[in-house]
Order: sequence, then C-alpha cells, then structure tokens
Amino acid sequence: AQSVTQLDSQVPVFEEAPVELRCNYSSSVSVYLFWYVQYPNQGLQLLLKYLSGSTLVKGINGFEAEFNKSQTSFHLRKPSVHISDTAEYFCAVRGGGAQKLVFGQGTRLTINP
Amino acid sequence: NAGVTQTPKFRILKIGQSMTLQCTQDMNHNYMYWYRQDPGMGLKLIYYSVGAGITDKGEVPNGYNVSRSTTEDFPLRLELAAPSQTSVYFCASSYLSGGPNEQYFGPGTRLTVT
Repeated sequence: AQSVTQLDSQVPVFEEAPVELRCNYSSSVSVYLFWYVQYPNQGLQLLLKYLSGSTLVKGINGFEAEFNKSQTSFHLRKPSVHISDTAEYFCAVRGGGAQKLVFGQGTRLTINP
Repeated sequence: NAGVTQTPKFRILKIGQSMTLQCTQDMNHNYMYWYRQDPGMGLKLIYYSVGAGITDKGEVPNGYNVSRSTTEDFPLRLELAAPSQTSVYFCASSYLSGGPNEQYFGPGTRLTVT
C-alpha cells in the first residue's frame, strides 16, 4: 500500500521569496506522483505530475517538483512566490497498478507582503 | 465543458436528517469518486465508480451510499446525518483509472451537521 507524508502543515513565506513544500511517500512498487493546489473555497486543481523520465517536472504557475527515488521524495518548489499562490497544496501518490490516489494531509502556504 | 459540477455548495443538516449531494461531469469520464476533506487530514475516499451501474467502497464508506445510473451522474446519499459527517465533500472524475491518469475535481459541498 502507498502512503504520503507532507512534512509541514503550514508554511509562511514573504512575497517574492522562494518556497519548498516537502512530500515523502512510501510504496513497494513504482509510483506516479501528483501535486494538486486548492485555492480558497475551490476544488483541487492539478499543478504537475511525475510519470517517468526526467526527474524534474515543471507545472503551471511557475512551480516545479523533483522526484528523488532514493529518498522517496517529491518536493514542490517555486523560486519566487506571489500573493496569488496562497492556497493549500496536496501531494498524492498512486502505485503502478492501483486505481486509487492516496493524498497527503496538505500544506497551507501563506504569503506575507 | 463545465467539467465537474456539484450541488449544493453549502448545507446545514440536523442530526438524523438525510440528503443527497449531487455530482455531474460532462467529460464522458468512466471513473468517478467521492472524497471527504477534514482539516489536517487530507482527502479520504468514500466511494468510487468504474462505470454506470458499478460502484465500490473506498476508505470511509460508513454512513454513505452511492448509485451510478448514468455516466454523467454520481450522487452521494447520507441517510442519517451525524456530526462526524461534518466535512467538505468533493466529487472527482477521470477518463481512465490508475497509472498517470489525473482526476478532475468539482468545487465541493460544505456540509455541517448539528
């Protein structure tokens, strides 16, 4: 079975500062990894996903994530955040043959001016 | 395309009442899902469906029922509402399941049971 741990429940940063949201997963099989974003009072929207190939994945809104198999991590990064990035971010994993997505607990990103 | 739509957006129920949360998708997706989101707990899968007429339990199915009579609709039924069912409910769909296929989410229904 797969599981996901998001190491920070809240991350406050200043506008234009870089940010990293951490995600670790456990799985005994090859995995597909996803980051979703939830803006206030909205549903979840896909930011990016890792399927195979290059370990650096670029997504929407300037976000990127790096898949590290040896450390079983899939951390999300942005070099310079904007107030509009204020949201909750969810990491999710799916094992190769599984149907279901397993979500982490979420990280609330707060941007201070 | 409207994508995944959910109604109502908000609802307050008294303990013991029943209600149906509606979910419709217009993307001709085979797979549909219901999740609940509790603060600090991420999303938990309640039920899912692999096609019209076929449903299966997720992690937290107790207290809920679903049906899938058409490809487009996947309603979630609460029969005897309890305070523990206070949550935000999300419906999602995907064309295929498994592997790299992403899920598309509706805007959610915020339910309070008092």
